[in-house]
Amino acid sequence: SYELTQPPSVSVSPGQTARITCSGDALPKKYAYWYQQKSGQAPVLVIYEDSKRPSGIPERFSGSSSGTMATLTISGAQVEDEADYYCYSTDSSGNHVFGTGTKVTVL
Amino acid sequence: EVQLVQSGAEVKKPGESLKISCKGSGYSFTSYWIGWVRQMPGKGLEWMGIIYPGDSDTRYSPSFQGQVTISADKSISTAYLQWSSLKASDTAMYYCARGVPAAGVYFDYWGQGTLVTVSS
Repeated sequence: SYELTQPPSVSVSPGQTARITCSGDALPKKYAYWYQQKSGQAPVLVIYEDSKRPSGIPERFSGSSSGTMATLTISGAQVEDEADYYCYSTDSSGNHVFGTGTKVTVL
Repeated sequence: EVQLVQSGAEVKKPGESLKISCKGSGYSFTSYWIGWVRQMPGKGLEWMGIIYPGDSDTRYSPSFQGQVTISADKSISTAYLQWSSLKASDTAMYYCARGVPAAGVYFDYWGQGTLVTVSS
């Protein structure tokens, strides 16, 4: 089955830049999406179609994709950005899958 | 305002049946997919399946095919996730989400989640 692989954890100091990667064989041809899930809350879409930001999402969140890797960047991370982040995409057969998830710690 | 409101927490015994719901409002219910996502305690998100209420087109993840049933009643803008015989391993938080038709389907709005606990 298709897998999207993320690092288990990323740590960043407040005001610094955090980068979260997502690796998948179908990413050269499929969009990546990113979700933020804070403790005890439902997920929130923060990036869609590789690099677009939904209304209301701060500009410090950005996305990019190249080859088999998509990247979520948090520029000037804030304490409130501490959360789990999941990438999401599809494979060539139309199966939808979430990434393994990355815990971002801001301290 | 787009809203997805899910039914309340459930506590069930192994072998029992269950149907949880997700009511959409603030948008055209028949023009978007509704998806279901499982999150087991302390674990990540798992894509279970989606339904298009406009024509009831339903797709399941291979991991969940035959284990659950997804349905929708467009007359009351409500989608459902049901089990015929629960197992302890079904204990999890279940989220519904609105699916945007794109190259694939992605979720833009989410419900608050329904916690299902299965224990003898």
